[in-house]
Amino acid sequence: EDQVTQSPEALRLQEGESSSLNCSYTVSGLRGLFWYRQDPGKGPEFLFTLYSAGEEKEKERLKATLTKKESFLHITAPKPEDSATYLCAVQASRGAGANNLFFGTGTRLTVIP
Amino acid sequence: ETGVTQTPRHLVMGMTNKKSLKCEQHLGHNAMYWYKQSAKKPLELMFVYNFKEQTENNSVPSRFSPECPNSSHLFLHLHTLQPEDSALYLCASSPEWGQGDSPLHFGNGTRLTVT
Repeated sequence: EDQVTQSPEALRLQEGESSSLNCSYTVSGLRGLFWYRQDPGKGPEFLFTLYSAGEEKEKERLKATLTKKESFLHITAPKPEDSATYLCAVQASRGAGANNLFFGTGTRLTVIP
Repeated sequence: ETGVTQTPRHLVMGMTNKKSLKCEQHLGHNAMYWYKQSAKKPLELMFVYNFKEQTENNSVPSRFSPECPNSSHLFLHLHTLQPEDSALYLCASSPEWGQGDSPLHFGNGTRLTVT
């Protein structure tokens, strides 16, 4: 069964304190792994898509990496405006779940000034 | 300004009411989706429409009834809901259902409270 697990559930960082969020997945052939950011009262906003192990993508203070079993979202020198819930989702290439996204429960990040 | 607009933003309804949620996308996409987001749970896919045809119904109770009159508009008709249906309902769109390199674009959701 396709599954996505994110950890930690919540993370509090001081401004400038770098850290990483984890997304572990089990899927019948990975077609794509997606990272989204969700602010309170808003819908998820797309950040990155990763397709194969070893791939990395960066955007400002965020860098996403992918292995065959997990993805990390590295946050370097975070600022308070990076506070949000970060969602991971996977799309399978085969099986009953193919074509649809399976989401994790998210990591709620708080960056303290 | 998101390319996917949902109305209303908030809705409170009794268990015997009938109401509808509306979603409109201005991105020229052909696939539209309804998701349910509850606290501490993953986003749950409810329905998918691709080129106005329903392609996915994820075992959703019949008290939720989707409608997709064209590729730009999606509705979710609600009737005889239960308190456990209270959640954030998110609409999303993508160029075409199933394309792995096309991320979903979400609206800001309708916060539904069933009393």
